[in-house]
Formats: sequence, C-alpha cells, structure tokens
Amino acid sequence: AQTVTQSQPEMSVQEAETVTLSCTYDTSESDYYLFWYKQPPSRQMILVIRQEAYKQQNATENRFSVNFQKAAKSFSLKISDSQLGDAAMYFCAYRSLPPSMNRDDKIIFGKGTRLHILP
Amino acid sequence: DTGVSQDPRHKITKRGQNVTFRCDPISEHNRLYWYRQTLGQGPEFLTYFQNEAQLEKSRLLSDRFSAERPKGSFSTLEIQRTEQGDSAMYLCASSLGWDLSSYNEQFFGPGTRLTVL
Repeated sequence: AQTVTQSQPEMSVQEAETVTLSCTYDTSESDYYLFWYKQPPSRQMILVIRQEAYKQQNATENRFSVNFQKAAKSFSLKISDSQLGDAAMYFCAYRSLPPSMNRDDKIIFGKGTRLHILP
Repeated sequence: DTGVSQDPRHKITKRGQNVTFRCDPISEHNRLYWYRQTLGQGPEFLTYFQNEAQLEKSRLLSDRFSAERPKGSFSTLEIQRTEQGDSAMYLCASSLGWDLSSYNEQFFGPGTRLTVL
C-alpha cells in the first residue's frame, strides 16, 4: 500500500520570502502522480501543482515549484515570494496511474502542513 | 457551472441518529468520490462511483455507512446509528473518467462538517 508522510505539522514564513514544504512517500509502483493541494481555512481543497512520476522535469506553476526526487521518494514544494493568501493547510498526495482504469482510483493524502505567513 | 456542491454544510446530531449528506458533482463528470477528513488529518478515501456503479470501497466504510448514486448524477452518503467517532468533515469530489491522453483532475466540494454529540 502507498503511504505519504509530511513531517512538518506547521511552518511559518515571512511575507515575500521563500519556504519549502517537505514530503516523502512510499510505493512499489513505477508510474504515478504526486500532488500538492491547498486547503485554506473553511474553504475547499484546490490543486496547487501536479507531477507525473515518469517526467524527470520538475513541475512549476507560477510561484510554486517542486523538487521531485524519484529514487529518494521525496517530493517537496517551494513557494517563492510568499503572500498572505498562501496561508493554508498544504497536503502532499499520491494517485496511481492507469491501467487501474476501473479500480484503485483514489488520492492518498499526507497529514498536512499548516503554513503561516507573517506580515 | 459552479463546481461541486454539498448539502448540508454543517450537521449536528445526537449519537445513534441517522444522517444523510448529498453531493452534486460538476455536471459532465462521471466519477464521484467520497472522502472523510478528521481534525488535524488529511482526507481519507471512502468510496467512489463511475456513473451509478460503486467501483471501490475502503475498509473505513463500515456497514453503518452506505453511499448511492442512483442515476449517475448526485450522490448520497448515509451514516446509520452515528457514533462520536464519526465526527469529521465529509468531502465529495468529482472528475471525468480516466483518459490515457490527459489527466482528469478531482475537483473537491466544500464538505459537510458532521458533529456527533
């Protein structure tokens, strides 16, 4: 079974600074997706960034980028130029790839890291 | 289309009562998922549907829990004889089915927060 571990329950960063959230995972599969989701207080979960395991290039989305180390099973999120609106719970997550087209379609989440932005 | 909606947003009930939650997915999405999120934890998968067929159920889904999607559109999640341990946020998500040529994102609803007294 796949597992996702986030070892930082809370982190703080000064506004406009850069912060890195850590995540490790365990799987025996060779192809899969990894994600970072953001859950603001009392608001719904949204996808921040997605990485396909078969792609060596690290994904980037504006101020958000990942450092994907497949052999080490490590997947960290870097937020540059932190903004007050970045304050939220961040979840690292895993999803299997097809050919499980009719089964095993679930996202496995870590416990989350609460990110505080200091003005 | 305004995304995935869930009703009610909050539910307070007494131990032993039955509760039912509803999820309306994004209209063209044929997959619908239920997750449970307890305080301080990440969401945990409960079950999912492709159209009206329930394709996978987690061991977390005890026999007190039942989910339906009768016409392949909205879904209901019922909890019978609620227990205090059932207190959690129940999240619904929807997506298009698997497509090998592109990734189909799961879009999440705002959740139903259940408190069992």
